[in-house]
Amino acid sequence: QKEVEQNSGPLSVPEGAIASLNCTYSDRGSQSFFWYRQYSGKSPELIMSIYSNGDKEDGRFTAQLNKASQYVSLLIRDSQPSDSATYLCAVEESSYKLIFGSGTRLLVRP
Amino acid sequence: DAGVTQSPTHLIKTRGQHVTLRCSPISGHKSVSWYQQVLGQGPQFIFQYYEKEERGRGNFPDRFSARQFPNYSSELNVNALLLGDSALYLCASSGNRDRNYGYTFGSGTRLTVV
Repeated sequence: QKEVEQNSGPLSVPEGAIASLNCTYSDRGSQSFFWYRQYSGKSPELIMSIYSNGDKEDGRFTAQLNKASQYVSLLIRDSQPSDSATYLCAVEESSYKLIFGSGTRLLVRP
Repeated sequence: DAGVTQSPTHLIKTRGQHVTLRCSPISGHKSVSWYQQVLGQGPQFIFQYYEKEERGRGNFPDRFSARQFPNYSSELNVNALLLGDSALYLCASSGNRDRNYGYTFGSGTRLTVV
């Protein structure tokens, strides 16, 4: 059974700090990775996608991928209270489906 | 530009009943996927359809079925509802594999089975 693992949290950071969210996956053949943000009672919102080893930056968000270690992370710089949500890591399998972790809950303290 | 639209937003059904959920993908997207999300867990893959053909099916019983129409919209059907089918049902659409490739979710249908 292919798996995606995330620490459930909550991860609590002060406003303005860097939040670091981590994810490991079991399928060494995976090629596409996604980070979603989900507010309570809402649907997941795509934040970042990453396909190659290294870093990918988009505004305050940076995704990092290390395929050798089967590890993907999301950094949120200058964290804001509005960033408080559950962050879901997803790995694409067989080019048509996503395997999700159970999510990490992030709390940004004002 | 409209995103992924799902209907209805909320639904309450009785055990043993049947339900149909609907989804319209982003304009130009030919692929539609369905996911089930129960509280405290990540979404679980149910089906994907591309160009009206089923590309994949997750580990769900035969009570779950789906189809895709010529306009790429899709229906998810669940028969003989069980209490455990209560969940948020999400539809996602995806387009061509370019540098912005990703799966975009609709707002979901919250199904409660009583």
